[in-house]
Amino acid sequence: DIQMTQSPSSLSASVGDRVTITCRASQNIKTYLNWYQQKPGKAPKLLIYTASNLQGGVPSRFSGSGSGTDFTLTIRSLQPEDFATYYCQQSYSMPRTFGQGTKVEIK
Amino acid sequence: EVQLVESGGALVHPRGSLRLSCAASGFIFSDYNMNWVRQAPGKGLEWISYISYSGTTIYYAHSVKGRFTISRDNAKNSLYLQMDSLRNDDTAVYYCARELPSSHGWTIDYWGQGSLVIVSS
Repeated sequence: DIQMTQSPSSLSASVGDRVTITCRASQNIKTYLNWYQQKPGKAPKLLIYTASNLQGGVPSRFSGSGSGTDFTLTIRSLQPEDFATYYCQQSYSMPRTFGQGTKVEIK
Repeated sequence: EVQLVESGGALVHPRGSLRLSCAASGFIFSDYNMNWVRQAPGKGLEWISYISYSGTTIYYAHSVKGRFTISRDNAKNSLYLQMDSLRNDDTAVYYCARELPSSHGWTIDYWGQGSLVIVSS
């Protein structure tokens, strides 16, 4: 199975900050990497698919990059509504696997 | 508008059974692969099962293989998860989730609101 490792597990940031979350796959997954945002009590929401494609309706301050084993989610200027938990997920092979999540908290 | 509505979650005893349903609307259900993903209280997301659009290809996570059965009824626009031999660590919110085709990297794009399953004596 492909292991997905996110870092950091949590971070504190202020409104307006640039935030970067990384995700590492245990083997080459090309660009089959997706990013989700989840707020408490809600279902996850797709932000970025296939590493760098912005899902429709998602603000352009979100961006993704990477290929192979190393990936990055960047939030250019953190907004109050961005405080949430973020997950990466590989869709390269079965079983699908998620990173452990990164909780973005208010500083 | 794409909608996925899960139902069937409940409190069940260990070694018991439960069947979850997911009603889909707003898209051509028979064109899409579907998944179940769960989230234990305070924990991360865990993918547990996949079924192809036709129902002919099925996968399970190691943690549920042999105990859970995924199925679908395209005529009823419905996805199911039969859960047998339930254990305490199956306690979770269970999400029904739609998957985009290979042209979009088999990405899960829509999720239901979730159905809570509690396994406890």
